Amino acid sequence: DAKTTQPTSMDCAEGRAANLPCNHSTISGNEYVYWYRQIHSQGPQYIIHGLKNNETNEMASLIITEDRKSSTLILPHATLRDTAVYYCIVRVVGGSNYKLTFGKGTLLTVNP
Amino acid sequence: DTAVSQTPKYLVTQMGNDKSIKCEQNLGHDTMYWYKQDSKKFLKIMFSYNNKELIINETVPNRFSPKSPDKAHLNLHINSLELGDSAVYFCASSLTTDKQFFGPGTRLTVL
Repeated sequence: DAKTTQPTSMDCAEGRAANLPCNHSTISGNEYVYWYRQIHSQGPQYIIHGLKNNETNEMASLIITEDRKSSTLILPHATLRDTAVYYCIVRVVGGSNYKLTFGKGTLLTVNP
Repeated sequence: DTAVSQTPKYLVTQMGNDKSIKCEQNLGHDTMYWYKQDSKKFLKIMFSYNNKELIINETVPNRFSPKSPDKAHLNLHINSLELGDSAVYFCASSLTTDKQFFGPGTRLTVL
């Protein structure tokens, strides 16, 4: 699976959009971009994933650049409960690839 | 309804003891996992079972033995516990290689 690079930490004001970047310059054509988050003392939580098109669900939006070398997770209206470590993971889906390889992630702190 | 549950939530024990952690999922998934998150917060996969068959077995000491009695359960037994085994252990499940759902974790403290 391709390696990802994320900032160590970010701050965001409550009610504002949180934009979390991820670089994955060595991504392969069949690798998806996944985002998970881990709120303090809880298990990781799936947020969203995509291949090349932008994706949106009830939690967030995922914007993937045209060359697929980077992506941005957008939380449109961050709340205090969104304070967590956010992990960007690039992986092949299907076949026998069951692994999720977690990096260090980005600690997002939402401030009142 | 809890999708992925683990018991116990906390486990405090002495070095050398044997302990088990249980995991159950009610999502109808066919694949289950054990992850370990150490004190530095690194989250690493340990084992995975697909339809009760072991498919991932990372470099984990033989003292750790997973058991999957059926697709909905994956237990983790640890023999001769060591100080370095202290960590938070997370169970997860998925439908084949799709997104994974995690349990709340079991915090193991070895004294």
